[in-house]
Amino acid sequence: GAVVSQHPSRVICKSGTSVKIECRSLDFQATTMFWYRQFPKQSLMLMATSNEGSKATYEQGVEKDKFLINHASLTLSTLTVTSAHPEDSSFYICSAAGTPTAGRETQYFGPGTRLLVL
Amino acid sequence: KQEVTQIPAALSVPEGENLVLNCSFTDSAIYNLQWFRQDPGKGLTSLLLIQSSQREQTSGRLNASLDKSSGRSTLYIAASQPGDSATYLCAVSGSARQLTFGSGTQLTVLP
Repeated sequence: GAVVSQHPSRVICKSGTSVKIECRSLDFQATTMFWYRQFPKQSLMLMATSNEGSKATYEQGVEKDKFLINHASLTLSTLTVTSAHPEDSSFYICSAAGTPTAGRETQYFGPGTRLLVL
Repeated sequence: KQEVTQIPAALSVPEGENLVLNCSFTDSAIYNLQWFRQDPGKGLTSLLLIQSSQREQTSGRLNASLDKSSGRSTLYIAASQPGDSATYLCAVSGSARQLTFGSGTQLTVLP
């Protein structure tokens, strides 16, 4: 299946700093990428949808000025957590949607990034 | 707004048993339904995807069914193994391609 990578896999930062997480589709062009966050023992909650070359669409309750999303190319989307605070500590997962196999579209998920804000 | 519910929240079975995980959704206008596996601290592994026009999909010991009209799906795992221990997530996709996830079933298969 298609491969999506995330970098870094784990990051620890001090409160007030900004953290950038990269999501790459390695073997297909992703016109749309999705960002999710997952709190311990809870399910994935969609944060935003990004389409290449346009502004991201954020879900209700997600601060767009705090979670900056850039989707500058068909293989890369970035999520920047600005002025991170301990409550931003979470597991962030991206997915990429494309059509790597004829006639069937699906989302391919990255391995996730564990963010811990001290 | 689509809501996805998974029952049970946790399940513990002895090795070798067959088991069924349940998923229900409130809006039947779905594009597809997927079952994922998530190991602790890891990302998602897609297990099975059922298009809205399909009734079931099979992969090895796994079989997933979909009844769109009643808003239900089941994941059947045959001859469970300790390596099957993980959290299983159900997710439905609407026309906007966004996935709505259930809260998952945490499965433990005891050796």
